Amino acid sequence: QITLKESGPTLVKPTQTLTLTCSFSGFSLSTSGEGVGWIRQPPGKALEWLALIYWNDDKRDSPSVRSRLTITKDTYKNQVVLTMTNMDPVDTGTYYCAHTGKQLWLKEFDYWGQGILVTVSS
Amino acid sequence: DIVMTQSPDSLAVSLGERATINCKSSQSVLYSSNNKNYLAWYQQKPGQPPKLLIYWASTRQSGVPDRFSGSGSGTDFTLTISSLQAEDVAVYYCQQYYSTPLFFGGGTKVEIK
Repeated sequence: QITLKESGPTLVKPTQTLTLTCSFSGFSLSTSGEGVGWIRQPPGKALEWLALIYWNDDKRDSPSVRSRLTITKDTYKNQVVLTMTNMDPVDTGTYYCAHTGKQLWLKEFDYWGQGILVTVSS
Repeated sequence: DIVMTQSPDSLAVSLGERATINCKSSQSVLYSSNNKNYLAWYQQKPGQPPKLLIYWASTRQSGVPDRFSGSGSGTDFTLTISSLQAEDVAVYYCQQYYSTPLFFGGGTKVEIK
């Protein structure tokens, strides 16, 4: 059974750096084909994809946040960490991590964490 | 970039009636080498994370009721709820995973008439 859970601060100040951790079980990022993605959702708005990381350390990210974003994995701890610099109030929203994968082609997000609401405010 | 556009933004359907949601991609999401469309549908209820309903445009995820079906190919796709139930009230999103950057549609809110 695959589960994921996001953790981190729920309130950050503008210009600060956000660090979120996705802790997961039921799969391993040392296994070929496995991956984890981050998706966010401003209040009342649509989903926005942010980044992906795969078992082989292949990383993909959205051009809209590329310069501010870092995604890393800790295979031994079963965690993926998302870091976003220079936070702004427009970055307020619920941040989700989700299980995905990749073989020759990309895969859908089949399991999601519950999400963490991050508010950016002074 | 392959951008997704959904329509309508919202719809109200009577219980037991059919609900149809449309999704259009700015480029084809069909891989000719395996004849699969890299298009997924998700359901999001208030206060909950999205839930995968359909992948490869028409394959139901395990445990998803068969009143949910996906169709289409290339750039035009449809999610159909054949007989709307009260528990289907939610926002529905399509997503392309043909290539990065990944994009979701803007969502369609389904309500009871």
